[in-house]
Amino acid sequence: AQKVTQAQTEISVVEKEDVTLDCVYETRDTTYYLFWYKQPPSGELVFLIRRNSFDEQNEISGRYSWNFQKSTSSFNFTITASQVVDSAVYFCALSEAGYSGGGADGLTFGKGTHLIIQP
Amino acid sequence: DAEITQSPRHKITETGRQVTLACHQTWNHNNMFWYRQDLGHGLRLIHYSYGVQDTNKGEVSDGYSVSRSNTEDLPLTLESAASSQTSVYFCASSESGSSYNEQFFGPGTRLTVL
Repeated sequence: AQKVTQAQTEISVVEKEDVTLDCVYETRDTTYYLFWYKQPPSGELVFLIRRNSFDEQNEISGRYSWNFQKSTSSFNFTITASQVVDSAVYFCALSEAGYSGGGADGLTFGKGTHLIIQP
Repeated sequence: DAEITQSPRHKITETGRQVTLACHQTWNHNNMFWYRQDLGHGLRLIHYSYGVQDTNKGEVSDGYSVSRSNTEDLPLTLESAASSQTSVYFCASSESGSSYNEQFFGPGTRLTVL
């Protein structure tokens, strides 16, 4: 069975510091998909990024970057020059390929990392 | 704009009562999901559906049921609510075709079972 581990329960940094959120996953499938979601204090879940298991290219989007390493089963998320608005709970999630009919078996989430950015 | 809505947003009920949480999406997605979010557990999958008349159990399905009579709706029923089912419930939907497709989440329903 698949598993996602976010070992950092809570991280607190001062604004403008860089911060990395760790995500380690377990799966037996060779085809799988990884996601990051953000949950701000308002409670909704905001999609940030997805990556498939065949694409190890790192991704950068503004102040956000993601490092996917299959060798260590990790999909880490870095925020550069953090801002107070980045304060949220961040979830890493995994989905396996699902059945050949094209369905999706749902996401397996990590427990989340609560990121606090202090002004 | 397409969206996914949940109702009610907040619900307080008593142990033993039947409760139904509604989820409605206008994305015309075939895949729909229910998750619960609890402190220290993240989100866990309760049930999911690939389309009309299809339902599947997730990781924490005991005490819950769903039915899919149309594409837009996937109501979640707690047959006999228990205090352990106090949680925040999220509904989500995605296009069929691949697990790579982004799941769009509803705003959540906070359920308290007294």
